[in-house]
Amino acid sequence: RKEVEQDPGPFNVPEGATVAFNCTYSNSASQSFFWYRQDCRKEPKLLMSVYSSGNEDGRFTAQLNRASQYISLLIRDSKLSDSATYLCVVNIPSGTYKYIFGTGTRLKVLA
Amino acid sequence: EAQVTQNPRYLITVTGKKLTVTCSQNMNHEYMSWYRQDPGLGLRQIYYSMNVEVTDKGDVPEGYKVSRKEKRNFPLILESPSPNQTSLYFCASSSTLTGTQYFGPGTRLLVL
Repeated sequence: RKEVEQDPGPFNVPEGATVAFNCTYSNSASQSFFWYRQDCRKEPKLLMSVYSSGNEDGRFTAQLNRASQYISLLIRDSKLSDSATYLCVVNIPSGTYKYIFGTGTRLKVLA
Repeated sequence: EAQVTQNPRYLITVTGKKLTVTCSQNMNHEYMSWYRQDPGLGLRQIYYSMNVEVTDKGDVPEGYKVSRKEKRNFPLILESPSPNQTSLYFCASSSTLTGTQYFGPGTRLLVL
């Protein structure tokens, strides 16, 4: 089983739609969680950190479920500019300080 | 401007010819890391460094070396590149307080 798993997609959604991505992680020692956005073969950029209580940034909402070991990202009112690959990232600081990336979920927002 | 820079951005080389990819950050971050990205495999961590003179292996360290003599620089060295090291490489840095990583623009390497 991969340490961090994401549905690769692609998710094709119309403009204005709401779309949700899930990401599961296998290491219960994971402490920090992030969503990054990556445009075609460019560098990943932080979209948002994920906090235990859940957090929102404009149209984006992130949730963490430690019991079930998954994090989620909800995008409301999708824009064409949201088309990208969304990467789930988990930080495992126990003993080492490693970041494990999911392979990403592709989103395409259609006009 | 806060940034991570990598050089070169594109490199074509031949098997066995030693090369170095430089990485520099101006944010005074303690943590720096190298990743490679391959289709279907996502980003995989090669090496990371918690601070000056402290480095550790990531998931795919074979064939690579790193050094951290200064806080701002973290070069990636391929002593004897092979075709399976053809990839897109990213350097990243972060503060250990926030864990948020900032990535360089990437280096596309082709080993013939």
